[in-house]
Amino acid sequence: NAGVTQTPKFQVLKTGQSMTLQCAQDMNHNSMYWYRQDPGMGLRLIYYSASEGTTDKGEVPNGYNVSRLNKREFSLRLESAAPSQTSVYFCASSPLGSTDTQYFGPGTRLTVL
Amino acid sequence: GEDVEQSLFLSVREGDSSVINCTYTDSSSTYLYWYKQEPGAGLQLLTYIFSNMDMKQDQRLTVLLNKKDKHLSLRIADTQTGDSAIYFCAENRGSYIPTFGRGTSLIVHP
Repeated sequence: NAGVTQTPKFQVLKTGQSMTLQCAQDMNHNSMYWYRQDPGMGLRLIYYSASEGTTDKGEVPNGYNVSRLNKREFSLRLESAAPSQTSVYFCASSPLGSTDTQYFGPGTRLTVL
Repeated sequence: GEDVEQSLFLSVREGDSSVINCTYTDSSSTYLYWYKQEPGAGLQLLTYIFSNMDMKQDQRLTVLLNKKDKHLSLRIADTQTGDSAIYFCAENRGSYIPTFGRGTSLIVHP
């Protein structure tokens, strides 16, 4: 099993450009999440999807959209990138119930100039 | 909302014990977690403790839970350079989505 995979690993954008971050998991988990990590700020939840067909806003959703394409895939879109969106983005998945442990991907390092 | 509090840095000598502390916010949290993030990688679950437990031991790791003070600690015995990482405390606040602290950077020096 590959676990949680994310593409791309690195990306540089100019202000105003758009892009989609891809995430896939092969663990048959119901829930998927997008976080951003900034120095000294810890992890902040952007959007999550409790199950296929549902998405909900997290703590910092402004400037982002998501799509839960199927049970495996959950993408994050930046429609018009801003320098404030420079960050490391992590996708995670979790089986509902049990200990609710989250499994994280390796991250996408995004710089917006 | 209230934050899960952790100190930002901890520096220890190789071979010593490390103790990372966390204050969480919700007495109804069912699970409390410790995640580890190595440089350039995502977070990985290190261990968790169920709220009806006071202590959990797993090889070099000991987790202590003080529910009265909402205090969680992670002790790493015989700390090695490979333990250098950021350690995140998290609680589930009765929800399936954990709330993370800001992370403690553990620096292990020879």
